[in-house]
Amino acid sequence: AQSVTQLGSHVSVSEGALVLLRCNYSSSVPPYLFWYVQYPNQGLQLLLKYTSAATLVKGINGFEAEFKKSETSFHLTKPSAHMSDAAEYFCAVSEPGSARQLTFGSGTQLTVLP
Amino acid sequence: ETGVTQSPTHLIKTRGQQVTLRCSSQSGHNTVSWYQQALGQGPQFIFQYYREEENGRGNFPPRFSGLQFPNYSSELNVNALELDDSALYLCALSLGGSSSGANVLTFGAGSRLTVL
Repeated sequence: AQSVTQLGSHVSVSEGALVLLRCNYSSSVPPYLFWYVQYPNQGLQLLLKYTSAATLVKGINGFEAEFKKSETSFHLTKPSAHMSDAAEYFCAVSEPGSARQLTFGSGTQLTVLP
Repeated sequence: ETGVTQSPTHLIKTRGQQVTLRCSSQSGHNTVSWYQQALGQGPQFIFQYYREEENGRGNFPPRFSGLQFPNYSSELNVNALELDDSALYLCALSLGGSSSGANVLTFGAGSRLTVL
């Protein structure tokens, strides 16, 4: 069984500050890991994915995440927050060969303060 | 714009009724997954269809059923609606069935169901 824990259901940062959204996972096999973003009244959009290649993954809109096996973590970062980054962020895990079933965390609502 | 169309966007039903939600795309994605997203929670996997057959199912009762058509469009049917079925239902398209889990899911904007 696999699971995802996102620490902090709400995170607030000032515009221009570092964004750090935390994700820890559990999986019985080396997982694939994803970060999705959801804007109000929209579906989920893929930010980035880890699929057992480079442990530092760069995504869209300046986001990146680092896979740390020893810590079972996949935290999402962005050096400088922009007002347009305000949204809900979901970390997700899948196991290879699992019919592409994603297990999502409960989400982190990011607020960017002017 | 993701190219994935879900309908209706909003609907209200009462307990015990039945509902059908639809998903379509102009692209050739041959695999469709449905997710339920309750308010304040992450999406939960309901089931997946590949080549018109169910190809994986999450922890949802049989009153949740689906169809995939030859043109790859899909329906989610829920019978005997309960209050807890109130949620955003997301359709996600991908390629290749149950092979590698690394392929990206493309999500629609969802159908928001309210059960009174």
